[in-house]
Amino acid sequence: DVKVTQSSRYLVKRTGEKVFLECVQDMDHENMFWYRQDPGLGLRLIYFSYDVKMKEKGDIPEGYSVSREKKERFSLILESASTNQTSMYLCASSLGGWSMNTEAFFGQGTRLTVV
Amino acid sequence: AQTVTQSQPEMSVQEAETVTLSCTYDTSESDYYLFWYKQPPSRQMILVIRQEAYKQQNATENRFSVNFQKAAKSFSLKISDSQLGDAAMYFCASLLTGGGNKLTFGTGTQLKVEL
Repeated sequence: DVKVTQSSRYLVKRTGEKVFLECVQDMDHENMFWYRQDPGLGLRLIYFSYDVKMKEKGDIPEGYSVSREKKERFSLILESASTNQTSMYLCASSLGGWSMNTEAFFGQGTRLTVV
Repeated sequence: AQTVTQSQPEMSVQEAETVTLSCTYDTSESDYYLFWYKQPPSRQMILVIRQEAYKQQNATENRFSVNFQKAAKSFSLKISDSQLGDAAMYFCASLLTGGGNKLTFGTGTQLKVEL
């Protein structure tokens, strides 16, 4: 089974802190994604990566950065956390390219609260 | 750009009955994929069913089936013989084959299953 593991299920941080959300997958997937989930807004893509050291902005990249130094690990960084970044963060991975046999596998989410 | 719309924030169904969740999407592309994901209270996103746009035949997975109307850009999910374990948030998502492997999600429909 594919496993996508996020380092924390719950996280509480103070305004202005630098926050790292870590995601690791164990199936040698090329693609990795960070989504933000908010009630009434669904899942919105923050950043994605299709290879080591490669990244592309999603729909809401402002206030975030990412790092992918190894294929299995994709980190989301909040340089200076703000209260409007309080949310659920979901990591996902998938094989490179898409066909009807591929799908995105998700981690269990990190509920981040910024106080 | 692609958009996915789920107009039903909440739905209820009696156990053993059938329920249909609606989804519409907007894209100018001719080739794309459509998905339904389920997110139970555990927060783990699970792929329910998928459809490739060029295939006329509606996808079916056990009690789950879709009604794909390409001209109307509609992709509804039908759940037959509803079970308590079907209670979850359901997300419709689309993927463009040339869209950089990004899934675009709707805002979700919370399904309640009543005894």
